[in-house]
Amino acid sequence: GAVVSQHPSWVICKSGTSVKIECRSLDFQATTMFWYRQFPKQSLMLMATSNEGSKATYEQGVEKDKFLINHASLTLSTLTVTSAHPEDSSFYICSAPRGGVGYGYTFGSGTRLTVV
Amino acid sequence: AQTVTQSQPEMSVQEAETVTLSCTYDTSESDYYLFWYKQPPSRQMILVIRQEAYKQQNATENRFSVNFQKAAKSFSLKISDSQLGDAAMYFCAYRRTNSGNTPLVFGKGTRLSVIA
Repeated sequence: GAVVSQHPSWVICKSGTSVKIECRSLDFQATTMFWYRQFPKQSLMLMATSNEGSKATYEQGVEKDKFLINHASLTLSTLTVTSAHPEDSSFYICSAPRGGVGYGYTFGSGTRLTVV
Repeated sequence: AQTVTQSQPEMSVQEAETVTLSCTYDTSESDYYLFWYKQPPSRQMILVIRQEAYKQQNATENRFSVNFQKAAKSFSLKISDSQLGDAAMYFCAYRRTNSGNTPLVFGKGTRLSVIA
């Protein structure tokens, strides 16, 4: 149980275009979703926290206008990379709390974004 | 702010042998949770084991066990009878237990290679 489905798993887009990444909680209600970015051979860097029905909270240094996060329902959170540039190429992962506070988090399978 | 430190960027182990991955953390809180996550080449984050800070007994999950030293703020992972499928990045993570959904704080990771 507690599955987060993330799509697409990989995407290639042209510079200047926008890309939307979706994370759906399949068997539970995700009131909170965390979005991470991971560079090759590095750890996960928290980008933002989204809560259903309210504005996302962004970490310092993350451009709010470039990385638009929407959490309109209890089962869907989206990250839109707007006007993508090659430096936005990365691996993006979503994560939601599962079960009680001590049960860690369940992660989506990640999205590999390549901007050409 | 809480920090998690993994001082071993890379480790290797012979198949069937035992290996220990180190993790230390810094916090002023007395109650929290600690986790080890595995990220194989597929990059899917997988929960390996978790430890509640108020429990003195070390957590164990099959071949995986931890050595939790609260006073020393140390949380090492021992993998016994290592298998080829254990090769992955391993991340140590910390979570606060106060109200609300707080993000995991990750270490930089340890890349484990298993030698046949």
